Amino acid sequence: GQNIDQPTEMTATEGAIVQINCTYQTSGFNGLFWYQQHAGEAPTFLSYNVLDGLEEKGRFSSFLSRSKGYSYLLLKELQMKDSASYLCALGRTNDYKLSFGAGTTVTVRA
Amino acid sequence: DARVTQTPRHKVTEMGQEVTMRCQPILGHNTVFWYRQTMMQGLELLAYFRNRAPLDDSGMPKDRFSAEMPDATLATLKIQPSEPRDSAVYFCASGPRTGEYNEQFFGPGTRLTVL
Repeated sequence: GQNIDQPTEMTATEGAIVQINCTYQTSGFNGLFWYQQHAGEAPTFLSYNVLDGLEEKGRFSSFLSRSKGYSYLLLKELQMKDSASYLCALGRTNDYKLSFGAGTTVTVRA
Repeated sequence: DARVTQTPRHKVTEMGQEVTMRCQPILGHNTVFWYRQTMMQGLELLAYFRNRAPLDDSGMPKDRFSAEMPDATLATLKIQPSEPRDSAVYFCASGPRTGEYNEQFFGPGTRLTVL
């Protein structure tokens, strides 16, 4: 089985930075995904890490340490529209499905 | 603009009625997933298909739920009989043909309410 842990909620101010941590335990690791889900909408893909290190995409960055079973999603220059749930998900080799964490609800305040 | 489509977007029904949800995956994607999302349980995988063959339906209550892919452009999820506890948002997602990369693309979901 797989264990995926991420905080339930986080609150931050517009313009600030927020880091969402995700820790996991799995076998046959084949990538760590981050999805964003706005209330009432479908999850949308944000980032993918399969090797250790930092992947940067504009205001969003994702980091992975496979040896520590740890990833984080960094949101910079927060905007009100970034208020959403952020889901950490694991892929495994020879298995097409993803296992999702419970999600972290981020609230951005003015 | 390739997207996963789902119908209906909303469904309200009474307990005991049959519910059928439909999904059209992105053209060329050969992996299709059905998820259920509630506030209490989060996003749960119900079943998934690869090249139209069911690979895993262990997350699905077998006595009332069934999932099929009659052809490559249509996946269905059926609940018969429906119960109030089935009220949730049901998402379909599809994945690209290249198996090295597990990214999934989600449809808009079907919001089901069983009274």
